[in-house]
Amino acid sequence: LAKTTQPISMDSYEGQEVNITCSHNNIATNDYITWYQQFPSQGPRFIIQGYKTKVTNEVASLFIPADRKSSTLSLPRVSLSDTAVYYCLVGPNAGNNRKLIWGLGTSLAVNP
Amino acid sequence: KAGVTQTPRYLIKTRGQQVTLSCSPISGHRSVSWYQQTPGQGLQFLFEYFSETQRNKGNFPGRFSGRQFSNSRSEMNVSTLELGDSALYLCASSQQGFNYEQYFGPGTRLTVT
Repeated sequence: LAKTTQPISMDSYEGQEVNITCSHNNIATNDYITWYQQFPSQGPRFIIQGYKTKVTNEVASLFIPADRKSSTLSLPRVSLSDTAVYYCLVGPNAGNNRKLIWGLGTSLAVNP
Repeated sequence: KAGVTQTPRYLIKTRGQQVTLSCSPISGHRSVSWYQQTPGQGLQFLFEYFSETQRNKGNFPGRFSGRQFSNSRSEMNVSTLELGDSALYLCASSQQGFNYEQYFGPGTRLTVT
């Protein structure tokens, strides 16, 4: 099972681009990288998932280098409502071995 | 589509009692997973059910058990409650279980006194 390491907290300001990096040195060949966002008193919400290179959707981009030992979640032009905890997960997305390890995540504070 | 619902939202129990939590997944989702979230440990995986069968299990004692019904609704039971079981219990559902886009419910806040 791949363990992930991310910063405990980050600060930013409205309108800035925020990049949160996750380290996963022992990622396996069939592992995918997934990011979730969680607001207080709510369940996590899926943001984005990728395997290699770059994935972009309407809310974020995910950059994965060739060695896949790390990944970076990029949030463009953050607003106050992006203040939340962001989790990086690594694991296979098929088959029966789907135990995920959720760390403590990165607590992002967006300031006015 | 309606989202994942969990009942009850809040629960207060006494040490030694047992509790049953309920989760209704999104219609069409066959995979239901349960998580425990505490401030110090973060989210920890309890178990996953797929088509009424437990497919994966985390590292929790046997006091934690679950089941899934034919309509994919799931229940989680904790027997002989301990103070350390106080936590937010989250349920998540996904289609087929073949990807990690899980949809989480609002959680059940369990307080053990």
